[in-house]
Amino acid sequence: AQSVTQLGSHVSVSEGALVLLRCNYSSSVPPYLFWYVQYPNQGLQLLLKYTTGATLVKGINGFEAEFKKSETSFHLTKPSAHMSDAAEYFCAVSVKRDDKIIFGKGTRLHILP
Amino acid sequence: KAGVTQTPRYLIKTRGQQVTLSCSPISGHRSVSWYQQTPGQGLQFLFEYFSETQRNKGNFPGRFSGRQFSNSRSEMNVSTLELGDSALYLCASSLQGANTEAFFGQGTRLTVV
Repeated sequence: AQSVTQLGSHVSVSEGALVLLRCNYSSSVPPYLFWYVQYPNQGLQLLLKYTTGATLVKGINGFEAEFKKSETSFHLTKPSAHMSDAAEYFCAVSVKRDDKIIFGKGTRLHILP
Repeated sequence: KAGVTQTPRYLIKTRGQQVTLSCSPISGHRSVSWYQQTPGQGLQFLFEYFSETQRNKGNFPGRFSGRQFSNSRSEMNVSTLELGDSALYLCASSLQGANTEAFFGQGTRLTVV
């Protein structure tokens, strides 16, 4: 069965610094991979997704992620953190289009002034 | 277009009672998934309905059930509530499933006392 591990339940970065949130997945077949963001008292919003094709995926708000099959990773990055990026981020995996989407436990991103 | 609507937003119930939560998906979306979100556990998948049929199921006890109507609206029922059922219940709708973007509602916050 597929699964997702997010390294670090809390990550703090300074405003303007690089954001790196780590996600490793387990899947026996080529996966669909997702990053979602959740702001306080709101539902989740899709940041980006990988289904097939280009392994570097660009999303909203300047975020991007790279699918690395050899490392079973899908880390999320942003070159320069902004205060508005403070939120909880979830990595998720699915293995086919009619399958369930499984989420990691989330990483809360704190931005330091 | 209107987003995913979950009602009610907040609920307080007593142990042993039952509860029904409602989710109205985005118009045209046929897939509705339900998740339980608790601190430290992230989002745990409950079930997914597609065109009125349960297509995927998570590892929750039979006290958790759901259904989907012909207009794609979905309900989730929890019987014989336990304290541990206190959580944010999120609903997500998508056109077809994992290969299409999932849109989340703001959730129903259930407190069991």
